[in-house]
Amino acid sequence: AQKVTQAQTEISVVEKEDVTLDCVYETRDTTYYLFWYKQPPSGELVFLIRRNSFDEQNEISGRYSWNFQKSTSSFNFTITASQVVDSAVYFCALRQSGTYKYIFGTGTRLKVLA
Amino acid sequence: NAGVTQTPKFQVLKTGQSMTLQCAQDMNHEYMSWYRQDPGMGLRLIHYSVGAGITDQGEVPNGYNVSRSTTEDFPLRLLSAAPSQTSVYFCASSYGGWDTQYFGPGTRLTVL
Repeated sequence: AQKVTQAQTEISVVEKEDVTLDCVYETRDTTYYLFWYKQPPSGELVFLIRRNSFDEQNEISGRYSWNFQKSTSSFNFTITASQVVDSAVYFCALRQSGTYKYIFGTGTRLKVLA
Repeated sequence: NAGVTQTPKFQVLKTGQSMTLQCAQDMNHEYMSWYRQDPGMGLRLIHYSVGAGITDQGEVPNGYNVSRSTTEDFPLRLLSAAPSQTSVYFCASSYGGWDTQYFGPGTRLTVL
């Protein structure tokens, strides 16, 4: 069965701290895709990154970085030098190749305090 | 491009009423889907479509109907609203099954 676990329900940090959001997934497929989305207080869902199962290279985009490790079935997201604007709910999602069914984690609410 | 649009933004229904949530996209995306978001449960897939005339059930399809007569539109129908359907509903689309989904702004539905 497919499953995405975001064990951290809520995290609070002080501005400029680094923070890592955990995502652990379960799938029996060898081909799959992983995603991160951001949901700011305004409510919309903003795409951040997509990774396929064959590409284990870590990715960095500005203050954001992602660590994909198939050995531990994890796809963690780190924000460096967090800012108040990073306050949002972050969702990790999994899609198996050959289906259009996405499985979302329950989300991690990040609060960045000034 | 307007992207993915949803109407209405807010809706209040009484138990037993029916209504249609509208979703449209202008990106010529083949794949469209509906999700509901409930506190502590993330997003759950209701129905999806891989092209005009083709729909399939997701994780929580009961109480909802969909049809896809055009590439652009994918309405979600609530046949007889129940308080358990109080939620935020998101529509999403993507070019292909492998591609990234882009979400609409959501519809907040309350069923009394």
